[in-house]
Amino acid sequence: EAEVAQSPRYKITEKSQAVAFWCDPISGHATLYWYRQILGQGPELLVQFQDESVVDDSQLPKDRFSAERLKGVDSTLKIQPAELGDSAMYLCASSLDRYEQYFGPGTRLTVT
Amino acid sequence: AQSVTQPDIHITVSEGASLELRCNYSYGATPYLFWYVQSPGQGLQLLLKYFSGDTLVQGIKGFEAEFKRSQSSFNLRKPSVHWSDAAEYFCAVGATGANNLFFGTGTRLTVIP
Repeated sequence: EAEVAQSPRYKITEKSQAVAFWCDPISGHATLYWYRQILGQGPELLVQFQDESVVDDSQLPKDRFSAERLKGVDSTLKIQPAELGDSAMYLCASSLDRYEQYFGPGTRLTVT
Repeated sequence: AQSVTQPDIHITVSEGASLELRCNYSYGATPYLFWYVQSPGQGLQLLLKYFSGDTLVQGIKGFEAEFKRSQSSFNLRKPSVHWSDAAEYFCAVGATGANNLFFGTGTRLTVIP
């Protein structure tokens, strides 16, 4: 069964450092999502891509976060500089249609 | 704006007992409703979804949910819980024309022998 791949699974970084996460969606899924899940809460959307275009980044803290999906396949989410409050699980999801989203295993980020 | 409320933060049930997890949503039109399950340190797995039609929907792992428009609810049920069902459960709502899903804060399920 096809799955969404994410790496790394765990990342520990110091405050003010740069960090990047990678996501490879299910083949053929045009829509890709990045979510942030703070411990004890539900996921919140950071950015949504349709192919290589951003369709919603209204909740992305653009002063420090950036996301790209250059060829409309895999995607990278970057944080620079990282802050203590960025510690969270970062989830990638993809979908063939607008609503049924398939999630990857996530990247657990700890900022020290 | 859409919102989802899961009033129970943590529920403990005995193995073999029945389960009901509550979910209430706020949305002006007919929503699209989902239940996801998340095991510790893992991503989310879709259990079931409601778009339209029959208000009782069946999902994977023996779960079902019932959409009740009058109560703005979409509660998840299972007649007999297994130890492997211990996890975090999230209800989510999506709206026509919207780009993303709005998730509740989750209910953590503990299953005791």
